[in-house]
Amino acid sequence: GAVVSQHPSWVICKSGTSVKIECRSLDFQATTMFWYRQFPKQSLMLMATSNEGSKATYEQGVEKDKFLINHASLTLSTLTVTSAHPEDSSFYICSARVMTGSYEQYFGPGTRLTVT
Amino acid sequence: GENVEQHPSTLSVQEGDSAVIKCTYSDSASNYFPWYKQELGKRPQLIIDIRSNVGEKKDQRIAVTLNKTAKHFSLHITETQPEDSAVYFCAARKYGNQFYFGTGTSLTVIP
Repeated sequence: GAVVSQHPSWVICKSGTSVKIECRSLDFQATTMFWYRQFPKQSLMLMATSNEGSKATYEQGVEKDKFLINHASLTLSTLTVTSAHPEDSSFYICSARVMTGSYEQYFGPGTRLTVT
Repeated sequence: GENVEQHPSTLSVQEGDSAVIKCTYSDSASNYFPWYKQELGKRPQLIIDIRSNVGEKKDQRIAVTLNKTAKHFSLHITETQPEDSAVYFCAARKYGNQFYFGTGTSLTVIP
């Protein structure tokens, strides 16, 4: 149980275009989902926390207009990278928490974004 | 907020030896400390965790110790094997809040 999927697993896009990444909890309802960004050989950096039905909370330094997060249902959160630039190329990982206050967090497999 | 430091950043051990990775945290209210193993291009996998009401936890070759007073916790891997080679992350969390990750340790087990 507690499986989280992401789609696509990898994507290449041209500079200036937008890319949408989906994060789904397959066998549980996730009240909260987290979006992380990971550069090569670096740690996971939290970008934002999204709660179903409400606006996402962004970490300091993350542009909310550039990284649009929508948590439309208890099983789906999306991250849209708008007007992508080469410096947005990274590994994006989502995670989902089963219920408010739960200790455990389940990670998706990640999405490799390359902007050319 | 919480600040988690992790050492060393790289670690090489001979197969069969032990490996120890240490993390410190700053927020005394943190009460959950998981360890993740991440292979290249893959998702982090939870390998062991410990809560603040416990001082030590062991699962086969993996153990974690927690010193709440000193605000540090450690991962111990015994009888290391080549498949243990990966990047390991520690994290700290307060109940209901997000995780704060350490900077990672790249472990190489030399056959």
